[in-house]
Amino acid sequence: QVQLVESGGGLVKPGGSLRLSCAASGFTFSDYYMGWIRQAPGKGLEWISYITSSSRTIYYTDSVKGRFTISRDDAKNSLYLQMNSLRAEDTAVYFCVRDAYGLDYWGQGTLVTVSS
Amino acid sequence: DVVMTQSPLSLPVTLGQPASISCRSSQSLVYSDGNTYLNWFQQRPGQSPRRLIYKVSNRDSGVPDRFSGSGSGTDFTLRISRVEAEDVGVYYCVQGTHWPRTFGQGTKVEIK
Repeated sequence: QVQLVESGGGLVKPGGSLRLSCAASGFTFSDYYMGWIRQAPGKGLEWISYITSSSRTIYYTDSVKGRFTISRDDAKNSLYLQMNSLRAEDTAVYFCVRDAYGLDYWGQGTLVTVSS
Repeated sequence: DVVMTQSPLSLPVTLGQPASISCRSSQSLVYSDGNTYLNWFQQRPGQSPRRLIYKVSNRDSGVPDRFSGSGSGTDFTLRISRVEAEDVGVYYCVQGTHWPRTFGQGTKVEIK
């Protein structure tokens, strides 16, 4: 069955960096667009980045452009999000998602807390 | 970006009674292949979202048949025929036709 397992979240100071990972299994990873969505405490869902199959196209929402970098390693069935220059407003649960004409599978999420 | 507007944002419901959530998009969600990629997700407290309905009206495996989706073009509805206690949570519509994918604000379903 399809599984997406995120890791790498934690507590970081403003201006710091974190790298999130998502291990995928149960499907042909290289065939799918993948992305990251976040949910701030008590708030709704926000797309922050996606990457197409073969990494041909990458998208970032405006609030993370220049600070976050999405990448994938199809040989390792893994998706990554490098987050630099973190701000308090980046505090959220980050979900790894698979996209097949709209999202179908989500990971359990990893919490990123940016606080001094 | 396509704007998805849900209503109501809060929906108190009596157990066993029906519930209905509306979702409207700022652009048509009909894709060039003729399909309409409008999905509904349920997020129970403390859990990650789970897809219930895809392409407007198709239930995902394991989803109870009390959930149904309908609509076309820019106007969509999720219905719960008889609300059960396990249906408490936030429901989101998500469009999969245009990039970037966009979400409704979420509708919180709670028991009266």
